[in-house]
Amino acid sequence: QITLKESGPTLVEPTQTLTLTCTFSGFSLSTNAVAVGWIRQPPGKALEWLALIYWDDDKRYSPSLKSRLTITKETSKNQVVLTMTNMDPVDTATYYCAHLYSENFFDYWGQGTLVTVSS
Amino acid sequence: EVVMTQSPATLSVSPGERATLSCRASQSVYSNLAWYQQKPGQAPRLLIYGASTRATAIPARFSGSGSGTEFTLTISSLQSEDFAVYYCQQYNNWPPAFGQGTKVEI
Repeated sequence: QITLKESGPTLVEPTQTLTLTCTFSGFSLSTNAVAVGWIRQPPGKALEWLALIYWDDDKRYSPSLKSRLTITKETSKNQVVLTMTNMDPVDTATYYCAHLYSENFFDYWGQGTLVTVSS
Repeated sequence: EVVMTQSPATLSVSPGERATLSCRASQSVYSNLAWYQQKPGQAPRLLIYGASTRATAIPARFSGSGSGTEFTLTISSLQSEDFAVYYCQQYNNWPPAFGQGTKVEI
């Protein structure tokens, strides 16, 4: 059974760096064709894909946010970490991590974590 | 980048009725399209991938069709638990992109 869970701060001040951790079980990020991605959703708005990291450590980022994002993996800990620099109130959203296999759609999702950016 | 446009924004239907949701891509994505369902306060759930293949445990009343730039999600007979927001997502081109969603309401 595949599960994912996001963790991190619920409140971040403007200009700070956000660090989110996705802890997963039921699969390994060392398995061929597996990846974990991050997607966010501002309140009442649509989903926005942010970043992906593949089993072979290939990394992909949203072009519009690439300069602010870093995604890494700790395979032995079954964790993926996303950092986003220079946070702004418009970055207030629920942040999800999700699993994908072979093709770039997401078959398992975490419950999400709401991050509010405010001073 | 591929832009995904969903219509209508809101669809008002009654239980037992058929619902048809549309998704259009700004360029061909072949059959590399997925549909997700999201209920309030919950994460999205994968319904369809490959434009027409139901994901694990998805009821047969959900069906997907289309290829290229025009796609449709059909719910043959709406159940109370189907009232939700539905998103399409293309994964043929980089970056993967979601549509803006269609809310299915009573």
